[in-house]
Amino acid sequence: AQRVTQPEKLLSVFKGAPVELKCNYSYSGSPELFWYVQYSRQRLQLLLRHISRESIKGFTADLNKGETSFHLKKPFAQEEDSAMYYCALSNYGQNFVFGPGTRLSVLP
Amino acid sequence: EAGVAQSPRYKIIEKRQSVAFWCNPISGHATLYWYQQILGQGPKLLIQFQNNGVVDDSQLPKDRFSAERLKGVDSTLKIQPAKLEDSAVYLCASSPYWAPYEQYFGPGTRLTVT
Repeated sequence: AQRVTQPEKLLSVFKGAPVELKCNYSYSGSPELFWYVQYSRQRLQLLLRHISRESIKGFTADLNKGETSFHLKKPFAQEEDSAMYYCALSNYGQNFVFGPGTRLSVLP
Repeated sequence: EAGVAQSPRYKIIEKRQSVAFWCNPISGHATLYWYQQILGQGPKLLIQFQNNGVVDDSQLPKDRFSAERLKGVDSTLKIQPAKLEDSAVYLCASSPYWAPYEQYFGPGTRLTVT
């Protein structure tokens, strides 16, 4: 069965520190992986997807098929990065599965 | 552009009652999704429409939940009868057909079943 796990419910880091939000998945095949973000009092929105290999707002994510992981990283956290982050996967635009989410808190 | 609209924003009902939620997607978006998000969990896909056809409803509890998207635009999600465990935020999202991952979410409807 398809499944996305995010082991940390809450991650607190200081401003300027590196941050890594973990995501592991189980899927038979080659899924598409995404990170979605929800800032306070805003709607859930797409942050990045593995195919694009882009850096968005300083965040990058590398797909490791061997470890079935898709961790989100940023070298220097900013206070405005504080939000709820969800890892998600899909099968060619269908069967979307979201993880439980990690709340990132960047302390001043 | 206008975002995804949902109504009502909040709803409180008693168990065994019926409830309906409405969603208006972004104009031109062919794909529409309904998610259920229980407190402390990630969104769970209930149903996905492509225009007015169902692409995926494998996780929709069909004995009590139903959804339709007439004319491939607006959509309604209905629960009849509601159970306590249906208390959740119901999210609607839409995306263009060429980029299904680029989902634009609505503000959600918070349902409380007492």
